[in-house]
Amino acid sequence: KNEVEQSPQNLTAQEGEFITINCSYSVGISALHWLQQHPGGGIVSLFMLSSGKKKHGRLIATINIQEKHSSLHITASHPRDSAVYICAVRGGSNYKLTFGKGTLLTVNP
Amino acid sequence: GAGVSQSPRYKVAKRGQDVALRCDPISGHVSLFWYQQALGQGPEFLTYFQNEAQLDKSGLPSDRFFAERPEGSVSTLKIQRTQQEDSAVYLCASSLLGQNYEQYFGPGTRLTVT
Repeated sequence: KNEVEQSPQNLTAQEGEFITINCSYSVGISALHWLQQHPGGGIVSLFMLSSGKKKHGRLIATINIQEKHSSLHITASHPRDSAVYICAVRGGSNYKLTFGKGTLLTVNP
Repeated sequence: GAGVSQSPRYKVAKRGQDVALRCDPISGHVSLFWYQQALGQGPEFLTYFQNEAQLDKSGLPSDRFFAERPEGSVSTLKIQRTQQEDSAVYLCASSLLGQNYEQYFGPGTRLTVT
């Protein structure tokens, strides 16, 4: 079993819909990252969080440390949001990131 | 630019060839990471440098993989006698020192071994 599980693996939405991507992990962590990867492109860090909630524009990330679960929400989704969204965790005092397999989001106009 | 750069962006190698992949981190970033991302998978850790010291190479899949960062800036990942299973995107990331700093990723090098 992977230490980091994401769901769904694939998600198709219509423009304007509210999107939720989930991430569950099985180890103790010091931080959780949400990353965005466009086809053929590099990875961009969206959020790094260790508790509570963060918001940036139309993106919201939440984490529940007790339940070992995080969600990434996109409000008013747009076709340019189409990308792979990856959850990654850093355990304890470790510098290593352990990644989920990613969620492929497609937003249709 | 001010971001992490990698070269080449694409590399096709015949099985058995040696390849060298380069990473230019953000200036001043002490920490440098290499990751391997197979098609349809998330990245996996290969190795970590703090300045010129390679503190962790536990993710290197075999002794055919070798990484260096001799002056604490540019890093090179070398793969000897490439195999088809080495085909992947190789990502480099850099960060300031300390676990609370974000990692900034380069665009990756897509390696295809034929």
